[in-house]
Amino acid sequence: QKEVEQNSGPLSVPEGAIASLNCTYSDRVSQSFFWYRQYSGKSPELIMSIYSNGDKEDGRFTAQLNKASQYVSLLIRDSQPSDSATYLCAKRGSSGDKLTFGTGTRLAVRP
Amino acid sequence: KAGVTQTPRYLIKTRGQQVTLSCSPISGHRSVSWYQQTPGQGLQFLFEYFSETQRNKGNFPGRFSGRQFSNSRSEMNVSTLELGDSALYLCASGQGDGYTFGSGTRLTVV
Repeated sequence: QKEVEQNSGPLSVPEGAIASLNCTYSDRVSQSFFWYRQYSGKSPELIMSIYSNGDKEDGRFTAQLNKASQYVSLLIRDSQPSDSATYLCAKRGSSGDKLTFGTGTRLAVRP
Repeated sequence: KAGVTQTPRYLIKTRGQQVTLSCSPISGHRSVSWYQQTPGQGLQFLFEYFSETQRNKGNFPGRFSGRQFSNSRSEMNVSTLELGDSALYLCASGQGDGYTFGSGTRLTVV
């Protein structure tokens, strides 16, 4: 079982819809989780981090964490064509700053 | 403030050669991590340095090595290059609440 799993997609949503991206992880030790967006040919950019169970909102983005179910999700409201990218889920290990990434979900927002 | 700076942006090397990549973290950050990104394997952790000490190491052969200097700048070295080492090499700096990536070095081994 991979440490961080994501559906590779592509996930296709119409403009203005809510995009829901999901991620599961395999251990009960990790405490910190991150969502990154990566455009083709670019480096990953941090969207948001989440550490506590529940929801965390930042603009059009909401991250959700459920440690009991080992599940992290990212909701993008009012999706725009400019949101079309690969979304990477990552967890931080129990020591240091090592991040373990999922393989990413490709999101396509249709105008 | 300045972001994470990686040099060079692009490199073409021949099999068997060695290469050194450089990363300057965000000012004040003492942790630098390196990742390899390929279409087939995704983003894979290479190693992490904090205050000149390697704190974590990924599952890569000994041909991959790194170091960090007292000013937090870091270098990674790959010796005896193989075709499979062609990838985007990314470094990130951060302090736990979020990690910022540099633009990466795209290495092509021919």
